[in-house]
Amino acid sequence: GAVVSQHPSRVICKSGTSVKIECRSLDFQATTMFWYRQFPKQSLMLMATSNEGSKATYEQGVEKDKFLINHASLTLSTLTVTSAHPEDSSFYICSANGVLVGSAREQYFGPGTRLTVT
Amino acid sequence: RKEVEQDPGPFNVPEGATVAFNCTYSNSASQSFFWYRQDCRKEPKLLMSVYSSGNEDGRFTAQLNRASQYISLLIRDSKLSDSATYLCVVRKAGTALIFGKGTTLSVSS
Repeated sequence: GAVVSQHPSRVICKSGTSVKIECRSLDFQATTMFWYRQFPKQSLMLMATSNEGSKATYEQGVEKDKFLINHASLTLSTLTVTSAHPEDSSFYICSANGVLVGSAREQYFGPGTRLTVT
Repeated sequence: RKEVEQDPGPFNVPEGATVAFNCTYSNSASQSFFWYRQDCRKEPKLLMSVYSSGNEDGRFTAQLNRASQYISLLIRDSKLSDSATYLCVVRKAGTALIFGKGTTLSVSS
């Protein structure tokens, strides 16, 4: 089946630094990728929709200047958390739209990146 | 009101028990419905899609009632390996998945 990878799987950084997370579709092209964030014991919350070759669409309440998304190719989207603070510590998960199954596209999830900001 | 609501549990059941999870969604424009399973500190994995006619996959049965905007998941003959968080998920056409908070299941021997 389709595979989505994320790198790094875990990162610890100091407050004020920036962290880049990569999301790759390994055996298929993904024109659309999604970035989610999950705090402990909470649901996955959609942060933004990333479209190849165009600007990302951010959900209400998500700062686009803080969470920079770049989707420069059909297999790679990156999320950069700029000037990270402890409250940005979370589990970040990307997903990619795959092939059509019926009238919907199946979505494949990456393994997630656990960010801890100290 | 949240788009997808679930009873968070936890549900603590013995092996072999039958357990049912419920979910309601608020957006009548939702078109696709799923149950995902998430293990601790892992990404969610698709368990099954949910259709109005109801569908079954082994010990798992899912039902959708569009009129009442209600989704259910029934697990029969629970196994220890079923212990996880079960996420109710909906999607409108062409948009990302919207996740419920999840229902935690713990199966004990």
